[in-house]
Amino acid sequence: GIQVEQSPPDLILQEGANSTLRCNFSDSVNNLQWFHQNPWGQLINLFYIPSGTKQNGRLSATTVATERYSLLYISSSQTTDSGVYFCAVESNYGQNFVFGPGTRLSVLP
Amino acid sequence: DGGITQSPKYLFRKEGQNVTLSCEQNLNHDAMYWYRQDPGQGLRLIYYSQIVNDFQKGDIAEGYSVSREKKESFPLTVTSAQKNPTAFYLCASSFTGGSNGYTFGSGTRLTVV
Repeated sequence: GIQVEQSPPDLILQEGANSTLRCNFSDSVNNLQWFHQNPWGQLINLFYIPSGTKQNGRLSATTVATERYSLLYISSSQTTDSGVYFCAVESNYGQNFVFGPGTRLSVLP
Repeated sequence: DGGITQSPKYLFRKEGQNVTLSCEQNLNHDAMYWYRQDPGQGLRLIYYSQIVNDFQKGDIAEGYSVSREKKESFPLTVTSAQKNPTAFYLCASSFTGGSNGYTFGSGTRLTVV
């Protein structure tokens, strides 16, 4: 099945810094989604982005499907951005999303 | 407001007992999914259902069972055959084919005592 890698595995930032999280996948995808898991375990949908670029406030995401990667940009990070960021993809042949291992982000005050 | 509700939030089970986790959605989604998350790990698929009265095994279905008698409901039973059931369980739903992505519930934390 499709393989999903995320980098870096861990990231520590000072409040106000910018960061880029990367998701690589091994096959063509129909769907791609970025989630933020908060400290209470809730998975919050950030972007549904099988291709192209989207922006929502301080966050933006770009998926280049032909090159099999997606990037999540966080600008002017805040302590509330801390948590784990997951990329999930659905291949052209699949019926469900496969999750990457996540990037654990800690934003320090 | 539409959403997906999991209950209970916390569940304690004695070894050898079966327990059932509830998942209900009012988003009119066709598909529903159950994932398991262990501490510090990603999500692994247990079961999914694309339509009422039909469901498929995911990557780690052993020791679990599900039913899909109604579109809105997809309960998960953790049986005594599941050797290491302590984990965080997340339910999700989507339109068929995952278009517009998944919506997740807030999870159930199961502990075996």
